[in-house]
Amino acid sequence: DSGVTQTPKHLITATGQRVTLRCSPRSGDLSVYWYQQSLDQGLQFLIQYYNGEERAKGNILERFSAQQFPDLHSELNLSSLELGDSALYFCASSVEGQNNSPLHFGNGTRLTVT
Amino acid sequence: GIQVEQSPPDLILQEGANSTLRCNFSDSVNNLQWFHQNPWGQLINLFYIPSGTKQNGRLSATTVATERYSLLYISSSQTTDSGVYFCAVGGSYGKLTFGQGTILTVHP
Repeated sequence: DSGVTQTPKHLITATGQRVTLRCSPRSGDLSVYWYQQSLDQGLQFLIQYYNGEERAKGNILERFSAQQFPDLHSELNLSSLELGDSALYFCASSVEGQNNSPLHFGNGTRLTVT
Repeated sequence: GIQVEQSPPDLILQEGANSTLRCNFSDSVNNLQWFHQNPWGQLINLFYIPSGTKQNGRLSATTVATERYSLLYISSSQTTDSGVYFCAVGGSYGKLTFGQGTILTVHP
């Protein structure tokens, strides 16, 4: 068990809908990262937060947004969903905000858009 | 951005065999990590190894940053080692770039 908690484990929704994925980092970790894993694109970095502030941005669509709350949990919001958004969404956390500590991943949320 | 190339793409072994997985990257990095994704989809951090050599049980890893490659060694492989092994590299902050992975299958 990595200590990173993601909910829900599975999500099935229709095109055009909006969903929220939730992540609680390991105790003591200040940084939260979101990644998307799909068959055609592999593991893609979406966004990073450190202690409530956005720290780095990757290939995150404008339809997607995220935030990190004062208690350090994070939410990833996906709106106007398309079939191509079906993927496994991972949250990871690390102690540091800089790129010098191991990442620990949650078990992921499997999103299916029908 | 940084390009990450892993080889081989697929590897099939008999239980007890040894193997070496390779990760080449296109630019200097200050962060390199190896992960194992098991058949249930869980991503497990194996090593944080921007340089040097580390060992953890039957697994060890070596990164030669100046030559832009890293190696993951698996000795006396077991069926539970099956899954996908990812190398991920990064420069500043948290933007780790993942390779496409090596799919390892260990037969009993």
